Amino acid sequence: QKEVEQNSGPLSVPEGAIASLNCTYSDRVSQSFFWYRQYSGKSPELIMSIYSNGDKEDGRFTAQLNKASQYVSLLIRDSQPSDSATYLCAVYGRDDKIIFGKGTRLHILP
Amino acid sequence: DTGVSQDPRHKITKRGQNVTFRCDPISEHNRLYWYRQTLGQGPEFLTYFQNEAQLEKSRLLSNRFSAERPKGSFSTLEIQRTEQGDSAMYLCASSPRAGGRNTEAFFGQGTRLTVV
Repeated sequence: QKEVEQNSGPLSVPEGAIASLNCTYSDRVSQSFFWYRQYSGKSPELIMSIYSNGDKEDGRFTAQLNKASQYVSLLIRDSQPSDSATYLCAVYGRDDKIIFGKGTRLHILP
Repeated sequence: DTGVSQDPRHKITKRGQNVTFRCDPISEHNRLYWYRQTLGQGPEFLTYFQNEAQLEKSRLLSNRFSAERPKGSFSTLEIQRTEQGDSAMYLCASSPRAGGRNTEAFFGQGTRLTVV
C-alpha cells in the first residue's frame, strides 16, 4: 500500500464551481497534513496545513481531516482559471519525514 | 530572508560526470529535505537533515548520491557518475522543526538536471 494516495486526474471543474481533491494515507499515527500547489515547471507551494480533525478554512480553500478514516481533502470554492495546477497532498508521519502523494491535476474550465 | 535558495537552477551534464547542487534553507530552519521529482510524479524523498545530522537516506537511493549539511546551514547534494535516469528536478525544502506543529516544508525553486 502506498503511503499517500491521490487520484492523478485530471479533474475538470467549471469556473466558479467547487473543486474537491482527496487524499488517503496509510500511517495511522501521522501527525501533520499539508496541501501544496504546483504549477507546471515550478516548485511546490504550501497552501494549507492541518493538524486536527475537522475543517480549516483559509480564504477560498478549506482543508478537511478525518484521522479515523485516514482521509484528507481540499475544497476550492469559486474556482478560478489560475487554480489550474497539480495539487500535492503531503503527510508528516511516525517516520519523522514528509512524504508526498503523486498529485492530482486540476483543470478549471473557463 | 527571501526563502529557500537553490543553485544552479538548471544543469546539463554528460553521462558519467559528477554534479553538485547547493541549497540554502530559510534561516533558523533546523530541518532540511532533498526530494527528486520526475514528470507526472510527486516529490520523491531522498534524504533529510536535522541540523548537521543526516537522519535518513532513501533505500532507493544509489550510493552514487551523497549529501552533506556542514554546520547545519547550507546543504549540498552530489551525484557521481551521472546516468540518464538521474535526469529530474531536484528539490530542497526546509522546515522550522520536527514533530508537532510547524513541520511544514518550504521549497526552493529546484535544480533541473538533464543528463545527455
